[in-house]
Amino acid sequence: GENVEQHPSTLSVQEGDSAVIKCTYSDSASNYFPWYKQELGKGPQLIIDIRSNVGEKKDQRIAVTLNKTAKHFSLHITETQPEDSAVYFCAASGNSNSGYALNFGKGTSLLVTP
Amino acid sequence: DGGITQSPKYLFRKEGQNVTLSCEQNLNHDAMYWYRQDPGQGLRLIYYSQIVNDFQKGDIAEGYSVSREKKESFPLTVTSAQKNPTAFYLCASNGQGALNSPLHFGNGTRLTVT
Repeated sequence: GENVEQHPSTLSVQEGDSAVIKCTYSDSASNYFPWYKQELGKGPQLIIDIRSNVGEKKDQRIAVTLNKTAKHFSLHITETQPEDSAVYFCAASGNSNSGYALNFGKGTSLLVTP
Repeated sequence: DGGITQSPKYLFRKEGQNVTLSCEQNLNHDAMYWYRQDPGQGLRLIYYSQIVNDFQKGDIAEGYSVSREKKESFPLTVTSAQKNPTAFYLCASNGQGALNSPLHFGNGTRLTVT
């Protein structure tokens, strides 16, 4: 099945700095790439997603870029704030054999220090 | 508010006992999923269901069973055959035929088996 690699596993930045998380995927047929934020003891929440017909998408301080040729996509958070501290997961769409269920990376624990 | 409800939040069982985790959604979504989350392992797909009375195995289905008798409900049973059942279990759903549609997650059930 789809293999999604995510780096780094932990990331510490100072408040106001930018944070970048990178993911690669293996299935060239994947065409949907969401990012989720998970706070302690809660389920993941969608923060942004991108489809394969788009190279970049922004939503305020958050942006995602996609390079389909290289099969990698990245999450960029600018002007980080302490409330951005959480675990972030990237995901890539599966295929019909798995009901198009998402395949997730192993997560990045982001810590934003004041 | 529409959403996904998982209950209970914490569950404790003795080894050798079967246990059922509840998942209910009022989003009118056709597709529902169960993921397992372990520290540093990301989210791994256990079972999914694209429509009532139909479900399919995911990547780690051994030792688990599900049913989908109603659109709103997708309970997961962790059987005594599951060798390492202690984990955080997440239920999710999506609509629009599931393809390229964002997943909505519940807040999870943390199962501890001793």
